Amino acid sequence: GENVEQHPSTLSVQEGDSAVIKCTYSDSASNYFPWYKQELGKRPQLIIDIRSNVGEKKDQRIAVTLNKTAKHFSLHITETQPEDSAVYFCAAKSSNDMRFGAGTRLTVKP
Amino acid sequence: GAGVSQSPSNKVTEKGKDVELRCDPISGHTALYWYRQSLGQGLEFLIYFQGNSAPDKSGLPSDRFSAERTGGSVSTLTIQRTQQEDSAVYLCASSPPGLAGPYNEQFFGPGTRLTVL
Repeated sequence: GENVEQHPSTLSVQEGDSAVIKCTYSDSASNYFPWYKQELGKRPQLIIDIRSNVGEKKDQRIAVTLNKTAKHFSLHITETQPEDSAVYFCAAKSSNDMRFGAGTRLTVKP
Repeated sequence: GAGVSQSPSNKVTEKGKDVELRCDPISGHTALYWYRQSLGQGLEFLIYFQGNSAPDKSGLPSDRFSAERTGGSVSTLTIQRTQQEDSAVYLCASSPPGLAGPYNEQFFGPGTRLTVL
């Protein structure tokens, strides 16, 4: 089955700096890679996703890149703000199920 | 519209008791997932239902865990003979059918916080 690894587990940046979170996956058949944001005490919510036929996708301050050959994908947040502080999960989907990374706790210091 | 709902929101039980957790997916969503999230940890996949197909149970940690989905809608996750290590938040998510197919977003419920004493 799919195995997703996520790094780093914690990340602290100054407001305005960029943050990068990286994930690797094991199943070459995976074709969908979403990123979820989970604020303290709340449910995970989708922030951006990318399909396997695309190498990069951007939505305002958030971008995701995918390298299918190397089987890794990354989340980039630019001009970070305190409200970006949360736990971020990457995921990879192949066939039926979705497997999540262990999460990255991002802290943006004002 | 209404999102995914779960009940109860909190459940405290004694070790050895059985518990049932309920998930009501968004109406019309054909895919339903159960995850477990231990304190400060990631999302652990438990089981996946898609329409009338046989569920993917590959994530269930032991035979004490089982889940059903009746009529393609409501799902119940049952944990028998609960243990303290079962304490976690159990999250349910659903996805719609349609052209997006495997790329559909998962919409999460608020979760059930289970505490086994």
